[in-house]
Amino acid sequence: GAVVSQHPSRVICKSGTSVKIECRSLDFQATTMFWYRQFPKQSLMLMATSNEGSKATYEQGVEKDKFLINHASLTLSTLTVTSAHPEDSSFYICSARMPGQGQPQHFGDGTRLSIL
Amino acid sequence: LAKTTQPISMDSYEGQEVNITCSHNNIATNDYITWYQQFPSQGPRFIIQGYKTKVTNEVASLFIPADRKSSTLSLPRVSLSDTAVYYCLVGDKGSSNTGKLIFGQGTTLQVKP
Repeated sequence: GAVVSQHPSRVICKSGTSVKIECRSLDFQATTMFWYRQFPKQSLMLMATSNEGSKATYEQGVEKDKFLINHASLTLSTLTVTSAHPEDSSFYICSARMPGQGQPQHFGDGTRLSIL
Repeated sequence: LAKTTQPISMDSYEGQEVNITCSHNNIATNDYITWYQQFPSQGPRFIIQGYKTKVTNEVASLFIPADRKSSTLSLPRVSLSDTAVYYCLVGDKGSSNTGKLIFGQGTTLQVKP
């Protein structure tokens, strides 16, 4: 079964709206989670690393004021797309790694964000 | 982070064995090799992971030569439902580098009837 839950699965909203996406690790604690963005027919692009209790680490070219990440608990990270515009429309995916040496990352089912 | 190179696409027929090879010439000592499968509009799904030699689970096998500069994902007797994009990734699971993964282009596998 799924070990990472992502919500909502789809969002459609007007330009200028802020949208929050949740990523939860199920039955395990994740001190680190990751956020990706994927455009049609392209690969996943890592946006940021979400660290529990501290600031997120953003990849080069990703605006931290645009994509707010909060990792307030060991099982929940949120990504807020602030003042979203049509160019922010994309498929957003989170992942988390189960604790223990050599454990792989597990991904959520993604959130399809459409900005009108 | 080690860069990976895979074929962009592959075609196969139902019932055949499919082998997808990935090159990772700059793999580091602490890096594991992980393969994921992704269907449209879904998150990647973990298939298999290995460090060296051979790993087998209920869905696939992973062959890693001694120099670890490449790896081959083997899917036995594919079906139409195996049509998907397959990603090979290398990443450090044991250091303070958080184990982040950088995705390459992946291999689009098309299984035909």
